[in-house]
Amino acid sequence: ILNVEQSPQSLHVQEGDSTNFTCSFPSSNFYALHWYRWETAKSPEALFVMTLNGDEKKKGRISATLNTKEGYSYLYIKGSQPEDSATYLCAFWNYGQNFVFGPGTRLSVLP
Amino acid sequence: DTEVTQTPKHLVMGMTNKKSLKCEQHMGHRAMYWYKQKAKKPPELMFVYSYEKLSINESVPSRFSPECPNSSLLNLHLHALQPEDSALYLCASSQSSGPTGEQFFGPGTRLTVL
Repeated sequence: ILNVEQSPQSLHVQEGDSTNFTCSFPSSNFYALHWYRWETAKSPEALFVMTLNGDEKKKGRISATLNTKEGYSYLYIKGSQPEDSATYLCAFWNYGQNFVFGPGTRLSVLP
Repeated sequence: DTEVTQTPKHLVMGMTNKKSLKCEQHMGHRAMYWYKQKAKKPPELMFVYSYEKLSINESVPSRFSPECPNSSLLNLHLHALQPEDSALYLCASSQSSGPTGEQFFGPGTRLTVL
């Protein structure tokens, strides 16, 4: 069973704060790491798909980094806004065709 | 059209019923996915179709039977389900199959098995 972990489990920040959270995954047989954002009562929305060690991707105020050798990815949100409140999920693909989601980090941004 | 649609939104069924969930996309995506999501847990992959052929079956019980009649449509046929099968069933699609395909999710069907 592949173990994908995310920390923290939940996070409360003030509007304007910058924040980051972690996804840990097995470093062997790595193929790709996905980040999704899931707002309550909506569908999960893809943020990034990352495949290369050292890769860094950015979309507006959100960015992500990837370290495949040590098995972790960071998601950063700069200047959090209330509309960033959501659960952020990472998901790991390996060469064995296994695709596993982490448990998510629930972010609440307080106005 | 950048949407994945799922019907019905809600479904209540008995353990002896046969029902089907439907998923549709018109983005020309070649891969489609079924997930099961229990409350407060992340989605769990059930099936992946690539170019209308089943490519991944995550050891799902045979009471769940997927079908991909064409590249735009994905069904999940349900028969003799158990109460523990109650969950949100999510469908997704991606342009390319496999690990690098960004997935677009539908809103899900909330299934209750009595």
